[in-house]
Amino acid sequence: DGGITQSPKYLFRKEGQNVTLSCEQNLNHDAMYWYRQDPGQGLRLIYYSQIVNDFQKGDIAEGYSVSREKKESFPLTVTSAQKNPTAFYLCASSTGKAGGEKLFFGSGTQLSVL
Amino acid sequence: GNSVTQMEGPVTLSEEAFLTINCTYTATGYPSLFWYVQYPGEGLQLLLKATKADDKGSNKGFEATYRKETTSFHLEKGSVQVSDSAVYFCALSRTGAGSYQLTFGKGTKLSVIP
Repeated sequence: DGGITQSPKYLFRKEGQNVTLSCEQNLNHDAMYWYRQDPGQGLRLIYYSQIVNDFQKGDIAEGYSVSREKKESFPLTVTSAQKNPTAFYLCASSTGKAGGEKLFFGSGTQLSVL
Repeated sequence: GNSVTQMEGPVTLSEEAFLTINCTYTATGYPSLFWYVQYPGEGLQLLLKATKADDKGSNKGFEATYRKETTSFHLEKGSVQVSDSAVYFCALSRTGAGSYQLTFGKGTKLSVIP
């Protein structure tokens, strides 16, 4: 079955620690995205990537980093510079082409601070 | 800039009641409009979309019409079921250097009671 896999489902971060959230897709999509979801705040775009080895900052990129070394993978690192990391993180992908605004989402990772 | 405003929830309805969730938007150009649905503990799924003025998107008994004159895209369903309980997000597309990213509203939580 084609889809997007996020792991882990739950993640805990200690003070000063960097953590990495995994996102893998087998839909052969060019574009991938990371969103942060806070209660009552909707979704906010952290980073996006249109093609391999290229990515752009979204609306709230500070304290986060990404890489896109393979088409199917787009990991997100939450660095110690992100002072309020507790949130639900959603990865998504799309064809990235005209008319391809439909996003396919993973099931999310809940990150909490210990 | 682009923005989406949804009616605040939560919304609680009895089974078979009529549903309306209001959504208005501010955008430059001619965006496409979307409704996504999020079931508990999951990512978002596309429910319906409309790409130009007066288009009606429909799926699973839900409908929404793209009203350019009132900049609205209200979601409606004639008879809700318990299984419709979820969070509903209105969104619009924006283009950025060839990629398509979505601007989401804050979401409206719907609870349907038997």
